[in-house]
Amino acid sequence: GAVVSQHPSWVICKSGTSVKIECRSLDFQATTMFWYRQFPKQSLMLMATSNEGSKATYEQGVEKDKFLINHASLTLSTLTVTSAHPEDSSFYICSARDDSGRSYNEQFFGPGTRLTVL
Amino acid sequence: GENVEQHPSTLSVQEGDSAVIKCTYSDSASNYFPWYKQELGKRPQLIIDIRSNVGEKKDQRIAVTLNKTAKHFSLHITETQPEDSAVYFCAASPDSGGGADGLTFGKGTHLIIQP
Repeated sequence: GAVVSQHPSWVICKSGTSVKIECRSLDFQATTMFWYRQFPKQSLMLMATSNEGSKATYEQGVEKDKFLINHASLTLSTLTVTSAHPEDSSFYICSARDDSGRSYNEQFFGPGTRLTVL
Repeated sequence: GENVEQHPSTLSVQEGDSAVIKCTYSDSASNYFPWYKQELGKRPQLIIDIRSNVGEKKDQRIAVTLNKTAKHFSLHITETQPEDSAVYFCAASPDSGGGADGLTFGKGTHLIIQP
């Protein structure tokens, strides 16, 4: 149980285009999901907290107009990188908490999406 | 906001020996401290976690200790095996109970188990 999927697993795009990444909780509901970014050989950095039915909360320094988050249902959050540039190339990982509370505070991570912007 | 420091950045130990990774945090409101293992190109996997009402927790070869007064917590792996080689991250977050708090991660420790 507690499986989180991401799609796509990798994407290559041209500079200036937009890319959408999906994060799904497959066997549980998640009112709250989180988006992290990880550069090569570095740690995970929290970008934003995604809340079903309300606006996302962004961490300091993360541009909300560049990284659009939509949490359309209790099992799906999407991150859209708008007008992508090479410096946006990174590994984007989402996580989700199980609303049922059976796993208390544990965050379940998706497999990540590797974005390369040419 | 929260700041988590992790040491060492690289740790090499002989197979069968113990490994210890240490973290400190800055925000006294933090009271949930998970540890993750991440293999190259894969998702982080939770290996153990501890909450501030507990000082120590053990699961087979893995243990975590927490000193809330000093704001530090440590991961202990005993009888290390080659499959323990990976990058380990500590993290911290407030445990508000509502589940709405993201994690602040340490910079990671590359653990290398020498055969």
